[in-house]
Amino acid sequence: KQEVTQIPAALSVPEGENLVLNCSFTDSAIYNLQWFRQDPGKGLTSLLLIQSSQREQTSGRLNASLDKSSGRSTLYIAASQPGDSATYLCAGRSGGSYIPTFGRGTSLIVHP
Amino acid sequence: DGGITQSPKYLFRKEGQNVTLSCEQNLNHDAMYWYRQDPGQGLRLIYYSQIVNDFQKGDIAEGYSVSREKKESFPLTVTSAQKNPTAFYLCASSIVGAESNEQFFGPGTRLTVL
Repeated sequence: KQEVTQIPAALSVPEGENLVLNCSFTDSAIYNLQWFRQDPGKGLTSLLLIQSSQREQTSGRLNASLDKSSGRSTLYIAASQPGDSATYLCAGRSGGSYIPTFGRGTSLIVHP
Repeated sequence: DGGITQSPKYLFRKEGQNVTLSCEQNLNHDAMYWYRQDPGQGLRLIYYSQIVNDFQKGDIAEGYSVSREKKESFPLTVTSAQKNPTAFYLCASSIVGAESNEQFFGPGTRLTVL
């Protein structure tokens, strides 16, 4: 069964810093990996989806990569802003199942 | 606008009551999901459905029930058998069977037991 881990659980950075959030998974036969953002008391907002045939996806200041051989995905946030403060979750689907496995998330605070 | 709606936003339940959470989507997705989110526990899957009139238990289905009579709707009933129902409940949907099956979420319902 796929297991997904996100470390660190919490991160605090000054505004303007480039940062990387990590997501590790145990089953390299991953189907796709999706990154989400969650603001307090809200639902999850999809940020990026990387299919198994892709290496990375970009949207604005966000770039997500997928390395199946090492079991890792990273979410790169360029020039962080206080508005980026939220919890970021990753979820991976293994081959044969359309049910994603979620990590517990990284809580990000960007302070002015 | 296409999306997923959940209602109500806040729900209060007395001991011994059954309550039903609504989830509707207009994305024409075949698959729908219910998750429970507790602090420090991440998202846990309650039930999911791939097609109308069919659904499967997730990891924590005890004390919950669902129906899928229409493609657009997937209501969740929290029964009195659920001993600790206070949590944030999230509904999601996706297409089925493709690498591009991106999952979309509703805004959530916060359930509190009085």
